[in-house]
Amino acid sequence: GAGVSQSPSNKVTEKGKDVELRCDPISGHTALYWYRQSLGQGLEFLIYFQGNSAPDKSGLPSDRFSAERTGGSVSTLTIQRTQQEDSAVYLCASSSTLATDTQYFGPGTRLTVL
Amino acid sequence: GENVEQHPSTLSVQEGDSAVIKCTYSDSASNYFPWYKQELGKRPQLIIDIRSNVGEKKDQRIAVTLNKTAKHFSLHITETQPEDSAVYFCAASGTGANNLFFGTGTRLTVIP
Repeated sequence: GAGVSQSPSNKVTEKGKDVELRCDPISGHTALYWYRQSLGQGLEFLIYFQGNSAPDKSGLPSDRFSAERTGGSVSTLTIQRTQQEDSAVYLCASSSTLATDTQYFGPGTRLTVL
Repeated sequence: GENVEQHPSTLSVQEGDSAVIKCTYSDSASNYFPWYKQELGKRPQLIIDIRSNVGEKKDQRIAVTLNKTAKHFSLHITETQPEDSAVYFCAASGTGANNLFFGTGTRLTVIP
């Protein structure tokens, strides 16, 4: 079946602009995660959605970052007033229910802030 | 919270030799330890995982060992091939956790 998809694959923006990144999880997966991967670094947790529960936003680095998950499926990560340090690959993952279920990753969105 | 450390950061081996990557974790409540392989420009893909009720798991040329007492786990790749060249990430999570905690990655290069 279809895996996790993300769009766009690449996004170049100017400092101060807002960007929206999209994630389509695997159908039927109730858990959805956003991670950030900076150049040569590991994956940094940003936010977690589980069904209709309130999201765990504990990993968001600043209040410029927000995310939504509509209808328990598609998720959008929004970064307002982008800064150069926001440049990274943003990865979305989904799992059937729990963080300890296999997490399947999307291809990522490479964000470059000029 | 959980802290995962991974060593070495880079590893070069001759084709056919074995490669070992080691990780330690800090939270004794962690009970799930996956390993991901990420090729250049690609998404991370799960290659093997282990849960705390076992000490070792093997899948063809890949094996993972877990020492809960010492809080460390290792990835072993035998008979390495050039297509094993990639960045490998270890991770940890546990009951009640909402995410995976990742190590900083090991860049493995297999020299033909």
